Amino acid sequence: DGGITQSPKYLFRKEGQNVTLSCEQNLNHDAMYWYRQDPGQGLRLIYYSQIVNDFQKGDIAEGYSVSREKKESFPLTVTSAQKNPTAFYLCASSDRPIGNQPQHFGDGTRLSIL
Amino acid sequence: RKEVEQDPGPFNVPEGATVAFNCTYSNSASQSFFWYRQDCRKEPKLLMSVYSSGNEDGRFTAQLNRASQYISLLIRDSKLSDSATYLCVVIPSGSARQLTFGSGTQLTVLP
Repeated sequence: DGGITQSPKYLFRKEGQNVTLSCEQNLNHDAMYWYRQDPGQGLRLIYYSQIVNDFQKGDIAEGYSVSREKKESFPLTVTSAQKNPTAFYLCASSDRPIGNQPQHFGDGTRLSIL
Repeated sequence: RKEVEQDPGPFNVPEGATVAFNCTYSNSASQSFFWYRQDCRKEPKLLMSVYSSGNEDGRFTAQLNRASQYISLLIRDSKLSDSATYLCVVIPSGSARQLTFGSGTQLTVLP
């Protein structure tokens, strides 16, 4: 089945540790996105990528890093510089980066601090 | 002012009721609009696009009012399974930041 796969579903981070969240899509979509959702709040854009080997900062990129070496993969690293990483992280993709195409989401990764 | 604003609710309605949500946006150049549904602790799922002429999908009707800069979602004959948070999404034209999500409106349909 075509879709977006995020892993792991749950992740725990120790103080000073970097952790990487995986996002893989087999929809052949050009654009991929990372969002963070805090309880009772909407989604906030961390990073997005419109094409392989290119990515742009969103609203809250500080403390995060990404790479886009392959079209189907867009991993997110939560670095030790992100002081409040506990949140629900959602990866999404869309067929075209600009236009009226909706985004499709993976089922998310919940990150907590140990 | 937030780019996209929604009444957070919660809206508690009895089964079979009709309920409507509005979502206002600040960027008059916004081009595309969607409604997503998000169940508790799950990812958002596309419910429907919102077209200029308005559109309907079964019990759900979406409308766009460009003059007043809002979109609406109407749910008729609400079911228990409609209980969820409904997110409106706006794509501003000329923006590289892509979609802007509202914070969501929580709906609970009561038996």
